[in-house]
Amino acid sequence: GENVEQHPSTLSVQEGDSAVIKCTYSDSASNYFPWYKQELGKRPQLIIDIRSNVGEKKDQRIAVTLNKTAKHFSLHITETQPEDSAVYFCAARVNSGGYQKVTFGIGTKLQVIP
Amino acid sequence: EAGVAQSPRYKIIEKRQSVAFWCNPISGHATLYWYQQILGQGPKLLIQFQNNGVVDDSQLPKDRFSAERLKGVDSTLKIQPAKLEDSAVYLCASTQGVVETQYFGPGTRLLVL
Repeated sequence: GENVEQHPSTLSVQEGDSAVIKCTYSDSASNYFPWYKQELGKRPQLIIDIRSNVGEKKDQRIAVTLNKTAKHFSLHITETQPEDSAVYFCAARVNSGGYQKVTFGIGTKLQVIP
Repeated sequence: EAGVAQSPRYKIIEKRQSVAFWCNPISGHATLYWYQQILGQGPKLLIQFQNNGVVDDSQLPKDRFSAERLKGVDSTLKIQPAKLEDSAVYLCASTQGVVETQYFGPGTRLLVL
């Protein structure tokens, strides 16, 4: 089955700096890669996603890049703010037996220091 | 639109007791997922329904966990009997179709003593 590895597990940055979180996946058939932000005690919320036919996608301070050959994708947050502090999860989705199967990474705890 | 609803939000039980969680997905969403999220880890899929049929329950500990979605709308997840290692947040999510974005509920935080 699909294996998604995520690193680092924790990341501390100064406010205004950039943060990068990286994920690798094992199944080359994976076709969709969402990123979720989960604040303490709250539900995961989708912040950005990318499909396998696209190499990069940007939404304001957040961007995601995908390298299908190397089977890795990354989340980039620029000009970080204290409210960016949360746990971020990557995920990979693959067709399996006629339905879509989603596998999550273990998460990265991002701390933005004011 | 209303989001995914779950209840209860918190539950504390002793080991070997039984517990049930309820999920009401977003109206019209055919696909429903139950995830287990242990502290410090990512969500792990327990079971996935397409309407009222199970499409993936490969990681569901079937000796103690069961789930149903009888009318293709609400779903219940049951644990019987509970073990200490079942302490986790149980998240329900839904999608309109099999290729759409997942929307998560607030989760049920279970503590087994």
